[in-house]
Amino acid sequence: EAEVAQSPRYKITEKSQAVAFWCDPISGHATLYWYRQILGQGPELLVQFQDESVVDDSQLPKDRFSAERLKGVDSTLKIQPAELGDSAMYLCASSPEQQGWEQYFGPGTRLTVT
Amino acid sequence: GQNIDQPTEMTATEGAIVQINCTYQTSGFNGLFWYQQHAGEAPTFLSYNVLDGLEEKGRFSSFLSRSKGYSYLLLKELQMKDSASYLCAVEDVGNAGNMLTFGGGTRLMVKP
Repeated sequence: EAEVAQSPRYKITEKSQAVAFWCDPISGHATLYWYRQILGQGPELLVQFQDESVVDDSQLPKDRFSAERLKGVDSTLKIQPAELGDSAMYLCASSPEQQGWEQYFGPGTRLTVT
Repeated sequence: GQNIDQPTEMTATEGAIVQINCTYQTSGFNGLFWYQQHAGEAPTFLSYNVLDGLEEKGRFSSFLSRSKGYSYLLLKELQMKDSASYLCAVEDVGNAGNMLTFGGGTRLMVKP
């Protein structure tokens, strides 16, 4: 069964350092999402791609976060510089299309900023 | 904007039935999803409702009333493995396309 791949699974970094997360969606899925989930809360959408184009990044803190999906397949989310409040689970999900389809989530990257 | 409310925690007994409620306010409703998330794991899809009524899938059922902005997830014959967080998520037609907004999740504890 096809799965969404994410790496690394765990990342510990010091504040002010740069960190990057990678996501490979299910083959053929046009829509890719990055979420941030703080412990005890629901996932919060950071950025949504349709193929290589950003559909929504209104909740992405653009002063420190960036995301790209250059060839419309895999994607990278970067934080520079990391802050203590960025400690969370970063989830990537994909779906065949935007509307009315379930999203398939990857295992996530748990980030701890010290 | 979106406002999604669901209880923070619930406790139930193995073998029983539990109903998890979700209320929402949205400007452009396009569907409602329920996801299950075990501690430390990714969410997994449970159900999708776009029309009013009840959708049944094995031990799990989901109900939607669009006029009331209300949904519930019904879990029957509870098992210990059902202990998890249950996330209500609303699909909204926004200016930039469809977006999914999650509630805070309901943590369900199933006791023997």
